[in-house]
Amino acid sequence: TQLLEQSPQFLSIQEGENLTVYCNSSSVFSSLQWYRQEPGEGPVLLVTVVTGGEVKKLKRLTFQFGDARKDSSLHITAAQPGDTGLYLCQFAGSGYALNFGKGTSLLVTP
Amino acid sequence: DAGITQSPRHKVTETGTPVTLRCHQTENHRYMYWYRQDPGHGLRLIHYSYGVKDTDKGEVSDGYSVSRSKTEDFLLTLESATSSQTSVYFCAISEGSLYGYTFGSGTRLTVV
Repeated sequence: TQLLEQSPQFLSIQEGENLTVYCNSSSVFSSLQWYRQEPGEGPVLLVTVVTGGEVKKLKRLTFQFGDARKDSSLHITAAQPGDTGLYLCQFAGSGYALNFGKGTSLLVTP
Repeated sequence: DAGITQSPRHKVTETGTPVTLRCHQTENHRYMYWYRQDPGHGLRLIHYSYGVKDTDKGEVSDGYSVSRSKTEDFLLTLESATSSQTSVYFCAISEGSLYGYTFGSGTRLTVV
């Protein structure tokens, strides 16, 4: 069974701070997605990374795919309360269904 | 105009009754999925479909069945609801593994 480990599990920070969350596995991914889920809603796709070493930026969010395609990180610069939510990573393994990590729950307080 | 809708959004049912949740898409995506989300367990796959009448089990399929008679609709049935099936259920659609998923807004099911 291919497993995704996300860390930290919980993170509580003040507005304006920077943070990084991680997604790791012992398996090689063909692609990896990051999602954000707000309370009471379904996850929303933020980005897909495919190439080892790839870096993508989405405003204050920077996503990096590890060179060996076994890990990924999400860095948020100057966090805002609107960044609060559950951050999930997902990878394409075998078969048609993609696997999720358990997520990092982020709380940004004013 | 959401490309994926789930119904109902909330439901309370009694133990032992059958329950059907509906997922409808307007995107013509091939793949559709049902997940449940519970504290401490994350998103767990119940069943998925890779085409009309083509479905397969996920990691927590016991007590659930699905049907997909049309591209746009994917139904999840709890054959005889139990309290352990109290959860939030999400449907998702996808064009393929490189494209990620689009999720519905979820159905909060309570079995009493």
